[in-house]
Amino acid sequence: AQSVTQLDSQVPVFEEAPVELRCNYSSSVSVYLFWYVQYPNQGLQLLLKYLSGSTLVKGINGFEAEFNKSQTSFHLRKPSVHISDTAEYFCAVSDHNTDKLIFGTGTRLQVFP
Amino acid sequence: DAGVIQSPRHEVTEMGQEVTLRCKPISGHNSLFWYRQTMMRGLELLIYFNNNVPIDDSGMPEDRFSAKMPNASFSTLKIQPSEPRDSAVYFCASSLQGTQETQYFGPGTRLLVL
Repeated sequence: AQSVTQLDSQVPVFEEAPVELRCNYSSSVSVYLFWYVQYPNQGLQLLLKYLSGSTLVKGINGFEAEFNKSQTSFHLRKPSVHISDTAEYFCAVSDHNTDKLIFGTGTRLQVFP
Repeated sequence: DAGVIQSPRHEVTEMGQEVTLRCKPISGHNSLFWYRQTMMRGLELLIYFNNNVPIDDSGMPEDRFSAKMPNASFSTLKIQPSEPRDSAVYFCASSLQGTQETQYFGPGTRLLVL
């Protein structure tokens, strides 16, 4: 069975600083990997996803993530954050046999001026 | 497209009452998912449908919960009878069928059971 671990429940950072949100997964089969963002009082929306090919994936709002198979990680990065990036970020994994997504517990990114 | 539509957006009810949550998926999507989000348990998949057929309901907490999808454009999640521990935000999401497809989430229904 697949599982996802988001190591940080909260990440405080100042505006214009770089940020990395960590995600590790566990799976015995090939997986697809996703990052979703949830702004306050809204549903989740896709930031980016890794299906195959280049291990560096670029998403919306200047975010990117790198798939590292040997370390079973899919960390999310942004070189310079804005106040508007304050939100909850969820890493998720699916396998090739179901349509289910397994979500991590989320990381709350708080950007301070 | 209007996106995934959920109603009501907020629901306050008393313990023991029946609650029905509604979802209209994005037109053309053939997979539909119901999730529950709480502080304690995070985001949990309750049930999902492919082509209106329930595929996996292993996340449904107990018999008090039921979900239906009578056609491609409508789904309901019913709780009967409701209990205070059912208080949560319930999300509906839809996608094209396939593990690589993006799920599009609705705005959620915030349920409070007193």
